[in-house]
Amino acid sequence: KQEVTQIPAALSVPEGENLVLNCSFTDSAIYNLQWFRQDPGKGLTSLLLIQSSQREQTSGRLNASLDKSSGRSTLYIAASQPGDSATYLCAVTQGGSEKLVFGKGTKLTVNP
Amino acid sequence: GAVVSQHPSRVICKSGTSVKIECRSLDFQATTMFWYRQFPKQSLMLMATSNEGSKATYEQGVEKDKFLINHASLTLSTLTVTSAHPEDSSFYICSAVLGVEAEKLFFGSGTQLSVL
Repeated sequence: KQEVTQIPAALSVPEGENLVLNCSFTDSAIYNLQWFRQDPGKGLTSLLLIQSSQREQTSGRLNASLDKSSGRSTLYIAASQPGDSATYLCAVTQGGSEKLVFGKGTKLTVNP
Repeated sequence: GAVVSQHPSRVICKSGTSVKIECRSLDFQATTMFWYRQFPKQSLMLMATSNEGSKATYEQGVEKDKFLINHASLTLSTLTVTSAHPEDSSFYICSAVLGVEAEKLFFGSGTQLSVL
């Protein structure tokens, strides 16, 4: 059974810092991995999707990497801003399925 | 991007009553929708896969008679929590698939259910 773990559970940083969020998964036979953002009581916004054959994806100040063989992914946020404060979720899908297996998330607070 | 509308955003009900949550794809047709549940400080857990025109597929441990799912059209899926109890209090969120790829997956804004 696939399990996704995210570390740390919470992170508080001053504005402007670069930071890294970690995600690990137990079954390396994934189809893709996604990073989402969740604001309190809100839905999810997809940030980046990495196919299993890819190593990384970038969007603006965000960069996600994937090391499938070791079962790890990182989300790098450059020059953090207070507006980045949210919970960041990592999720994987396995071949032939659109079902997402989520981690518990990392709650990020960026202080002005 | 595609929009998925979920209503209500918050509902408080008495124990024993039933609550219906709607999930609509506003600008695309979704043959498949997913329903997730999230308890505080826990991961989003898939409850069931809703397929238009057929019965929903429930994940292990999810009671199909308690969580009724109806996907009668390509733009609407509903989740009804029947005879709700306090332990059903949770954040429920739906997602809809655009096309056949998981990357075309859009989420509703979620429903916070509180059962008194």
